[in-house]
Amino acid sequence: EPEVTQTPSHQVTQMGQEVILRCVPISNHLYFYWYRQILGQKVEFLVSFYNNEISEKSEIFDDQFSVERPDGSNFTLKIRSTKLEDSAMYFCASNPPGTNNEQFFGPGTRLTVL
Amino acid sequence: GESVGLHLPTLSVQEGDNSIINCAYSNSASDYFIWYKQESGKGPQFIIDIRSNMDKRQGQRVTVLLNKTVKHLSLQIAATQPGDSAVYFCAVNPTGYSTLTFGKGTMLLVSP
Repeated sequence: EPEVTQTPSHQVTQMGQEVILRCVPISNHLYFYWYRQILGQKVEFLVSFYNNEISEKSEIFDDQFSVERPDGSNFTLKIRSTKLEDSAMYFCASNPPGTNNEQFFGPGTRLTVL
Repeated sequence: GESVGLHLPTLSVQEGDNSIINCAYSNSASDYFIWYKQESGKGPQFIIDIRSNMDKRQGQRVTVLLNKTVKHLSLQIAATQPGDSAVYFCAVNPTGYSTLTFGKGTMLLVSP
């Protein structure tokens, strides 16, 4: 069964460094999302992406965040200058055309900012 | 905006019991509701969904009930098994094709 994959599974970085989290959505999906989950808290929406542009973003998704679909398969989240409070699980999700928000989630990348 | 809450952070049941997990939402325009299951170290996994034009939907061992009058939905798991132990989230969105707002989650603990 097709699934969303994410790399790396765990990323440790120093405060102020740039990180890129990578996702490969399911191949026929057209809508892509990034969410984050701080330890013990709820899943929070960051950004949605469709047709090579951001369609929605939350207040969390400020200027230090960016997303990109550099080729036909990858979907990346970049954090330019990481802060301690960026430490969280980051989930990528996608959903196919013709369905309503049955989003398929990847396993997540655990980001630890020291 | 949308805020989503859950009534109980932890639910402990015995194997074989039926489990009921509740969720309340605030936006009466919410159109689509989903229950996700999240096991430790994994991403949310879709369980079942329901649209606002329905009151009830059944899946395999799971039932979702939607009460739009009081803006409440519930997930019922029949004959709960140890493998059902996880955190369960409800998620809602005001209209289709937009972002999801998640609740904080209820941890379901199933003891043999």
